[in-house]
Amino acid sequence: AQSVSQHNHHVILSEAASLELGCNYSYGGTVNLFWYVQYPGQHLQLLLKYFSGDPLVKGIKGFEAEFIKSKFSFNLRKPSVQWSDTAEYFCAVTGPGGSYIPTFGRGTSLIVHP
Amino acid sequence: DADVTQTPRNRITKTGKRIMLECSQTKGHDRMYWYRQDPGLGLRLIYYSFDVKDINKGEISDGYSVSRQAQAKFSLSLESAIPNQTALYFCATSDPGQAGNEQYFGPGTRLTVT
Repeated sequence: AQSVSQHNHHVILSEAASLELGCNYSYGGTVNLFWYVQYPGQHLQLLLKYFSGDPLVKGIKGFEAEFIKSKFSFNLRKPSVQWSDTAEYFCAVTGPGGSYIPTFGRGTSLIVHP
Repeated sequence: DADVTQTPRNRITKTGKRIMLECSQTKGHDRMYWYRQDPGLGLRLIYYSFDVKDINKGEISDGYSVSRQAQAKFSLSLESAIPNQTALYFCATSDPGQAGNEQYFGPGTRLTVT
């Protein structure tokens, strides 16, 4: 069974600080990787996704993530966070071994102070 | 209008009561899902349905049942609610023709069982 680990459960930053949220997955086959974001009081929405090709993917609002196959990682980055990035961030993986049913990480709560 | 809607948005009920949460979608997707979100535990899959005649248990189906009334409607029932079912419940859809099985979420239902 596939699993997803998000190592940072709570992150507090000041505006303009750089952000990196860790995500590791356990699955040996071909995977599809996602980051979803949940802004306060809102539903989850897609931030970015990786299927194949360039391992550095860019998403909305200046976020990017890098797929490193050898490390089974898909870390989320943003060079300079804003107060409006305060949200909960979820990493997820799908793959043929699980009939493409998503497995989500436990989430990282990010608070950005103005 | 929202593509995935959930009713009710908030519900407080008592232990032992039967509760139904409803989900409707206008995206035309065949696949629908029910998740629950608990602080620190991320999203966990309760049930999923790949089409009207297909219902599958997820990671935490005990105490829950579902009904897929039509392609656009997928209801979740708690036959006899208990306090540890207090959570935020999300419905989601996906398109099997779209690579990776990206999830499209509804706004959520906050359920409190007293």
